[in-house]
Amino acid sequence: AQTVTQSQPEMSVQEAETVTLSCTYDTSESNYYLFWYKQPPSRQMILVIRQEAYKQQNATENRFSVNFQKAAKSFSLKISDSQLGDTAMYFCASTGTASKLTFGTGTRLQVTL
Amino acid sequence: GAVVSQHPSRVICKSGTSVKIECRSLDFQATTMFWYRQFPKQSLMLMATSNEGSKATYEQGVEKDKFLINHASLTLSTLTVTSAHPEDSSFYICSARDGQGGSEQYFGPGTRLTVT
Repeated sequence: AQTVTQSQPEMSVQEAETVTLSCTYDTSESNYYLFWYKQPPSRQMILVIRQEAYKQQNATENRFSVNFQKAAKSFSLKISDSQLGDTAMYFCASTGTASKLTFGTGTRLQVTL
Repeated sequence: GAVVSQHPSRVICKSGTSVKIECRSLDFQATTMFWYRQFPKQSLMLMATSNEGSKATYEQGVEKDKFLINHASLTLSTLTVTSAHPEDSSFYICSARDGQGGSEQYFGPGTRLTVT
């Protein structure tokens, strides 16, 4: 079984600043993937970034990067140069060999002027 | 990029009736599709996993006779909510996994179901 925990229900950041969203997980699988998804007000789920657990190098996608600490089972998301369009719910998720996604409870991010 | 559509985007039905939601992968073959339910301001809860040509696997606590899932082709899965009740009102989201074996799931835009 997998569990994903997001301990920050809400976060706020000013435009152009940097914010880090926290996520911890637990899994009994040796091969798994971790994801951050964004859900804007439209409610369309959008993949932000993906990390394969067997890769030590942290994934990056433009302004988005992760800090993957495998031993600590931590997978935080850093958003640099925050933009108003980054305002959304952010879900951390994990999947194992069964391909079923387990989601955290989400962090609501508000980007302000 | 991989696109998944859902139809309808919104539906209102009366108590006791059934409603069908379609999920289609538009530009790839999806051997596996997933159905989620999301209540307001909450996370996505997996309801069931459907594999093309076989019976769906339901998560614990999900009534398989109430939420009928059919995955008849590699591009289409349907969720039918039977004998709907107001407590079935929710946002239903499907996702599809590329049959090429990727780890990523591609999500549909969701369907808002309101049962009156």
